[in-house]
Amino acid sequence: GENVEQHPSTLSVQEGDSAVIKCTYSDSASNYFPWYKQELGKRPQLIIDIRSNVGEKKDQRIAVTLNKTAKHFSLHITETQPEDSAVYFCAATSSAGGTSYGKLTFGQGTILTVHP
Amino acid sequence: EAGVTQSPTHLIKTRGQQVTLRCSPISGHTSVYWYQQALGLGLQFLLWYDEGEERNRGNFPPRFSGRQFPNYSSELNVNALELEDSALYLCASSSGQGATNEKLFFGSGTQLSVL
Repeated sequence: GENVEQHPSTLSVQEGDSAVIKCTYSDSASNYFPWYKQELGKRPQLIIDIRSNVGEKKDQRIAVTLNKTAKHFSLHITETQPEDSAVYFCAATSSAGGTSYGKLTFGQGTILTVHP
Repeated sequence: EAGVTQSPTHLIKTRGQQVTLRCSPISGHTSVYWYQQALGLGLQFLLWYDEGEERNRGNFPPRFSGRQFPNYSSELNVNALELEDSALYLCASSSGQGATNEKLFFGSGTQLSVL
């Protein structure tokens, strides 16, 4: 089945700096890669996603890049703000059949701390 | 529009007991997913239900089971509770339609403590 590795596990930046979180996946059939943000004590919420037919996607200060050949994708946050502090999870899934079907596999999470 | 709702919010059980967790998806959503989030760990996929049927399950023992009702709400049952079952159990829903690459909407979870 799918395996998603996420790095780093913790990331500390100064306000205004950029933050980059990287994930690798194992199943070449995976074709959908969302990122979720979970603030302390709250539910995970989707912040951005990318499909396998796209190499990059941006939404204001956040962007995601995908390298299908290398099977890795990254989250980029620019001009970080204290409210960006949270746990970020990458995930991967496949719409093809097999054991990974419908199973959104999450990375282990990155605790991002943005210092004012 | 109401989001995904889960009940109860907190639960304390002892080893060997059984527990039932409940989830109501967003209106119009037919798919329900269950995830386990143990302290310090990521979200581990438990089960996926769509249109009343189990579509996939994660690498959990058979004592983890569930079902989806005609109104698309869902239950997660855990039998013979073990200490390591202590975790936040998150339910999520999506519009389904057989697609898996869709945004999941999560509930606030049920915090289960097994003593």
